[in-house]
Amino acid sequence: AQKVTQAQTEISVVEKEDVTLDCVYETRDTTYYLFWYKQPPSGELVFLIRRNSFDEQNEISGRYSWNFQKSTSSFNFTITASQVVDSAVYFCALSEAQRGYSTLTFGKGTMLLVSP
Amino acid sequence: SAVISQKPSRDICQRGTSLTIQCQVDSQVTMMFWYRQQPGQSLTLIATANQGSEATYESGFVIDKFPISRPNLTFSTLTVSNMSPEDSSIYLCSVEDFEKLFFGSGTQLSVL
Repeated sequence: AQKVTQAQTEISVVEKEDVTLDCVYETRDTTYYLFWYKQPPSGELVFLIRRNSFDEQNEISGRYSWNFQKSTSSFNFTITASQVVDSAVYFCALSEAQRGYSTLTFGKGTMLLVSP
Repeated sequence: SAVISQKPSRDICQRGTSLTIQCQVDSQVTMMFWYRQQPGQSLTLIATANQGSEATYESGFVIDKFPISRPNLTFSTLTVSNMSPEDSSIYLCSVEDFEKLFFGSGTQLSVL
């Protein structure tokens, strides 16, 4: 069965610090997608990234970067030079080809608090 | 990206009543999904709704409790029936658009 573990329930940093959010997943499927979503206090889920299981290249988008390592079943998310606006709950999620690519299993989320 | 509108944004309901949540998308989509986010918890998929067929429910969710309609390719409703305080959650609809899954802003439901 598929499972996503976000061991960090809450992280507090000071603005401009770098922070890494961990995500470990379990799946028996060889074809799957991994996602990160941001949920700010307003409640709306904001799509950040989708990565398929065949693409292990790391990705950078502005201050955001993602490290996908199949060997450790991890898909970690790093925010560089954090800002107060980064304060939110971040969810990692997994979808498997067998269940349908849009059927997501979410982790419990990591609440990130960035203070000025 | 698809624009998703959900109504109502929040509601307070009495035990034993039912609430219907609407989800409208600004483009035609094949599949729509309904998720539940219980207080302080992660999101759990309730069901997948395809136009023209019965919704497919995940383990732990049944049609009698969460009936879903999907009358066309841009609209769906989720009804939370015979509500109890345990149904207090945020309910979100989502759609796939260009291989990305987008979510509506959610309906925050409180059951007294």
